[in-house]
Amino acid sequence: DTGVSQNPRHKITKRGQNVTFRCDPISEHNRLYWYRQTLGQGPEFLTYFQNEAQLEKSRLLSDRFSAERPKGSFSTLEIQRTEQGDSAMYLCASSSYTGQGYNYEQYFGPGTRLTVT
Amino acid sequence: AQKVTQAQTEISVVEKEDVTLDCVYETRDTTYYLFWYKQPPSGELVFLIRRNSFDEQNEISGRYSWNFQKSTSSFNFTITASQVVDSAVYFCALSESTGGTSYGKLTFGQGTILTVHP
Repeated sequence: DTGVSQNPRHKITKRGQNVTFRCDPISEHNRLYWYRQTLGQGPEFLTYFQNEAQLEKSRLLSDRFSAERPKGSFSTLEIQRTEQGDSAMYLCASSSYTGQGYNYEQYFGPGTRLTVT
Repeated sequence: AQKVTQAQTEISVVEKEDVTLDCVYETRDTTYYLFWYKQPPSGELVFLIRRNSFDEQNEISGRYSWNFQKSTSSFNFTITASQVVDSAVYFCALSESTGGTSYGKLTFGQGTILTVHP
């Protein structure tokens, strides 16, 4: 069983450009999460999906950020009009939710490091 | 207010010493989950343990042990006989059922950088 994969691993972009990241979760996992981590901080929640439904978005997530999980499998995170403050590691995780209020642990991918110049 | 507080920013020990990483959390939920993750220099977060709020039994896994105390809202992590390979950033995290969504997001602490010297 492969783990969570993310592409690309690194992205350098100029301010104002749009970027898109992809996450492929562990195949049997129905939940998929996006987090952002800056240097010296813990991961910060952005949004998560259960199957294809986006169940929660952080209030910190500006409208320049959008995420999709169209078929309940892989997900994409797009950042429009990037700013230097968007430079961070973007982490994806997945987990299995049984529907009985029991959520198994989240497994994380290697992350996509975004640098906005 | 911080929901998960890891007061120790950095800890440095010599190999074979025991070390305890502190975690204090805050929640209004009666049912919640607590987690510890390890982030080695390679960067990928590695799951270590999940604890349900109803299960206050301490857990031991090899050199790792966890002490969960609801009375003090703490979930501390001890490494016995530390090794150089234990050097990493360790994060404590909380999952709640607030807002009608069931135990979705993790709220992480700031992390504790552990350095084990040979």
